[in-house]
Amino acid sequence: DVKVTQSSRYLVKRTGEKVFLECVQDMDHENMFWYRQDPGLGLRLIYFSYDVKMKEKGDIPEGYSVSREKKERFSLILESASTNQTSMYLCASCLSANRGDTQYFGPGTRLTVL
Amino acid sequence: GESVGLHLPTLSVQEGDNSIINCAYSNSASDYFIWYKQESGKGPQFIIDIRSNMDKRQGQRVTVLLNKTVKHLSLQIAATQPGDSAVYFCAENIDPRRSGGSYIPTFGRGTSLIVHP
Repeated sequence: DVKVTQSSRYLVKRTGEKVFLECVQDMDHENMFWYRQDPGLGLRLIYFSYDVKMKEKGDIPEGYSVSREKKERFSLILESASTNQTSMYLCASCLSANRGDTQYFGPGTRLTVL
Repeated sequence: GESVGLHLPTLSVQEGDNSIINCAYSNSASDYFIWYKQESGKGPQFIIDIRSNMDKRQGQRVTVLLNKTVKHLSLQIAATQPGDSAVYFCAENIDPRRSGGSYIPTFGRGTSLIVHP
């Protein structure tokens, strides 16, 4: 079974703090994704990566950056957290985004920015 | 169906009934579709997928129907159980040969299924 893990289930941070959300997958998947999920807005893509050290902006990249130094790990960074970044953050991976493979999701990190 | 505004559409059924959850997709170039189930406090889980060269696919207790003419997808759950209570959403994927990039899914907003014992 594919396993996607996220470093924290719940996180509380203060405005202006730098926040790191970590995601690890154990199935040698090429592609990894970061989404945020908000009530009524569904899943929105922040960034994705199709290879080590490669990244592409999603629909809402502003205020975020990412890092993919190793194939199994994809980090989401909030450079200076703001209250409007309070959300559920979901990481996903898939084997190859070039042939429509299923995305597998982690359990999510619920981030609250005070 | 898919939600508008802040509230998810909700489908309430009795245990043992069949459930049908609908999804309208937007892009006629989409050729791969997935249904996900998300239970409270958890990440989305894959249920079933279908490619555009098919109009029906069956799994265990679930069936997905695809109508490309009207860009509509449905998920049918047979003999719904309380454990099926969750938010269900569809994802559409566009063939990268037509989109110029990788398969990046677009997710619907979801439908909340409530199963009453």
